[in-house]
Amino acid sequence: AQKVTQAQTEISVVEKEDVTLDCVYETRDTTYYLFWYKQPPSGELVFLIRRNSFDEQNEISGRYSWNFQKSTSSFNFTITASQVVDSAVYFCALSEWTGGFKTIFGAGTRLFVKA
Amino acid sequence: ETGVTQSPTHLIKTRGQQVTLRCSSQSGHNTVSWYQQALGQGPQFIFQYYREEENGRGNFPPRFSGLQFPNYSSELNVNALELDDSALYLCASKQDDRVGTEAFFGQGTRLTVV
Repeated sequence: AQKVTQAQTEISVVEKEDVTLDCVYETRDTTYYLFWYKQPPSGELVFLIRRNSFDEQNEISGRYSWNFQKSTSSFNFTITASQVVDSAVYFCALSEWTGGFKTIFGAGTRLFVKA
Repeated sequence: ETGVTQSPTHLIKTRGQQVTLRCSSQSGHNTVSWYQQALGQGPQFIFQYYREEENGRGNFPPRFSGLQFPNYSSELNVNALELDDSALYLCASKQDDRVGTEAFFGQGTRLTVV
């Protein structure tokens, strides 16, 4: 069965601090994708990154970086030099094809960045 | 903005009633999925439609049903509403139904069941 755990419910940091959001997943499939989405107060989720299960290469995009480790079933997200505009809820998600398309989101981590 | 639009933005219904929520996909997208997001929780996958056929479903009862039209717009229908159905309902469109394709979300419909 699929499961995505985001153990950090809320994180509060001061602007310019680095922050890491944790994501741990469970699946029996060998082929799957992991995603991170950002949900600002407006409500719509915004796609940030995807990773397939065969690509453990870490990725950096500006102030954002992602660390995917299959050995620990984790896909963590780091924001470097956080800014107030980073304040939002961040979701990790797992998608796979198991007798049809399936996707599961974690409960989310609410990030507060204070000026 | 993603180009995915949902209507209405807010809705209040009475327990036992039926509701239809609508979604217009982003141009060029042939796949749509629906999610239920209760307050303070992550989105829960309801189902996905690809070229008018359902090709994925989460753990929701049959009273949650959907339609996708030839222009790839979509409807979510919920029958026999229950108080626990109160949530933000999100629609997302994708350019294809592959697992790794990112989804573009609308701003949601806030449904309140009283």
